Amino acid sequence: GAVVSQHPSRVICKSGTSVKIECRSLDFQATTMFWYRQFPKQSLMLMATSNEGSKATYEQGVEKDKFLINHASLTLSTLTVTSAHPEDSSFYICSAQRTSGRRDTQYFGPGTRLTVL
Amino acid sequence: LAKTTQPISMDSYEGQEVNITCSHNNIATNDYITWYQQFPSQGPRFIIQGYKTKVTNEVASLFIPADRKSSTLSLPRVSLSDTAVYYCLVGDRPNTGFQKLVFGTGTRLLVSP
Repeated sequence: GAVVSQHPSRVICKSGTSVKIECRSLDFQATTMFWYRQFPKQSLMLMATSNEGSKATYEQGVEKDKFLINHASLTLSTLTVTSAHPEDSSFYICSAQRTSGRRDTQYFGPGTRLTVL
Repeated sequence: LAKTTQPISMDSYEGQEVNITCSHNNIATNDYITWYQQFPSQGPRFIIQGYKTKVTNEVASLFIPADRKSSTLSLPRVSLSDTAVYYCLVGDRPNTGFQKLVFGTGTRLLVSP
């Protein structure tokens, strides 16, 4: 149990285009999902928290108009990188939070490699 | 800032037991301790989670002392495929109600033949 998928796994796009990444919890419902970014040789950096039915909460320094997040259902959150530029090239990883009693556990997707030319 | 501190790297050999210790001096009463494993170009994989004492699953054991200010992930009889980065995380639950995870540097484990 606790499987999270991401689509696509890899995307290459031209500068100025928008890219949408989907994150799905396959076997559990997730009120809360998270989006991270990871640059080579670095740790994961939290970008935003996605809550079903409400606006996302962005970390300091993350532009909400550039990284649009929609948490349309309890199993799907999407991240859209708008007007992507080469500096947005990175590894984007989502996670979905499963709650059991007072215990919260995040399960991560396999990641999406974005390359902006 | 990450709430945890762990060694940046560790080396081991196949078949050995590996223990990775993590410090979390400011752990809150409600916080659980979670360990993840990450391979290059993959998302972190959940290994084990605990609150106190000892937790064991088919992959690892987690030892947490009574004061909960540290924890030790124990990997029995490692193999080459255990070469990865291991993250120790303690949840941060602000008033928003959801739990954030702040990743530190992790421990890069290298298993050699």
